[in-house]
Amino acid sequence: DVKVTQSSRYLVKRTGEKVFLECVQDMDHENMFWYRQDPGLGLRLIYFSYDVKMKEKGDIPEGYSVSREKKERFSLILESASTNQTSMYLCASSPGGPNTDTQYFGPGTRLTVL
Amino acid sequence: RKEVEQDPGPFNVPEGATVAFNCTYSNSASQSFFWYRQDCRKEPKLLMSVYSSGNEDGRFTAQLNRASQYISLLIRDSKLSDSATYLCVAFYNQGGKLIFGQGTELSVKP
Repeated sequence: DVKVTQSSRYLVKRTGEKVFLECVQDMDHENMFWYRQDPGLGLRLIYFSYDVKMKEKGDIPEGYSVSREKKERFSLILESASTNQTSMYLCASSPGGPNTDTQYFGPGTRLTVL
Repeated sequence: RKEVEQDPGPFNVPEGATVAFNCTYSNSASQSFFWYRQDCRKEPKLLMSVYSSGNEDGRFTAQLNRASQYISLLIRDSKLSDSATYLCVAFYNQGGKLIFGQGTELSVKP
């Protein structure tokens, strides 16, 4: 079974703090993704990566950055957290090649910024 | 206009009912489509893939109409355990991105 893990299930931070969300997958997948999910808006893609040290902006990258130093790990960074970044954050991974369209999700991190 | 649109529901149905969800997409370049299921406070999990005109898996049938740009999911003989949010997803080969609808909530009552 594919296993995607995220460092925290629940996180509470203060405005202005730097926040790190970690995601690790154990299936040697090339592709990794960060989404946020908000009521009425569905899942929106923040950043994705097709290989180590590569990153691509998704639909809503503002206020976020990412790091992929190792294949299995993809980190999402909020440089200066703001209240509008309170959300559920979901990490996903997928293999390269013809199965690229199937993504496997981690359990999510519910972040609250006060 | 959202790229993938769904009726958010909620759909409240009795056990044993047949329920259908529709989803429309705006980009005709979409390569393939999926239905994901998401339980409350859990991550989305793949339910069905739709690559051609349709797919059937037990009580679940997904259909794709490329001419009208919509996908449907039919659930027959609903169970209490089917209660969840169902996400319609389009995949664009260019860029390798999944585009999610906002989800349709289903509640199956005894």
